[in-house]
Amino acid sequence: SQQGEEDPQALSIQEGENATMNCSYKTSINNLQWYRQNSGRGLVHLILIRSNEREKHSGRLRVTLDTSKKSSSLLITASRAADTASYFCATPPAGGGADGLTFGKGTHLIIQP
Amino acid sequence: SQTIHQWPATLVQPVGSPLSLECTVEGTSNPNLYWYRQAAGRGLQLLFYSVGIGQISSEVPQNLSASRPQDRQFILSSKKLLLSDSGFYLCAWSVGGGLGYTFGSGTRLTVV
Repeated sequence: SQQGEEDPQALSIQEGENATMNCSYKTSINNLQWYRQNSGRGLVHLILIRSNEREKHSGRLRVTLDTSKKSSSLLITASRAADTASYFCATPPAGGGADGLTFGKGTHLIIQP
Repeated sequence: SQTIHQWPATLVQPVGSPLSLECTVEGTSNPNLYWYRQAAGRGLQLLFYSVGIGQISSEVPQNLSASRPQDRQFILSSKKLLLSDSGFYLCAWSVGGGLGYTFGSGTRLTVV
């Protein structure tokens, strides 16, 4: 079953604007991860936020986590055409087991030049 | 540095034919290995994972199987492909503990 659900499913903005994507999940987590997938390619790990963290930054990326609402957001500031991709949130199994990550269906982000 | 190789990049196979997709990891020992499938415009579905040689866990019943003959080699197979096996197959590895995963570049499989 899906653990993470991204919102919106698709987002189109102008280059230079900020893009915000949201993710909701259902069960307790140890961490939440965001990945990017360019069309027809593998996924690239962007950032991991632990359950005891509320906000994390990496370059133009800002991730927040609200465990009380079971939600996370990914903000990309000053978007560029190269940011066009699908973005997925993912959660590992509770207890840190070897089971694979559970992914949402993703947000398809299009940056208009 | 660690790298992951997955091949082929694209594959077109007739219904009923066998399948073998290979994934190898370099630069790490005893990785956790994973096979995912992604249908068009959808999220990723975990198919198999392995924590060691010969140890395979299946997440969903299907027409596919996986094997791990060596520590850093993970193979996805089928004896007879179905149309519904079409999709984008991704291999990934992790050090475990629920930390970040590294994905291969994927194989686009089209069953005709």
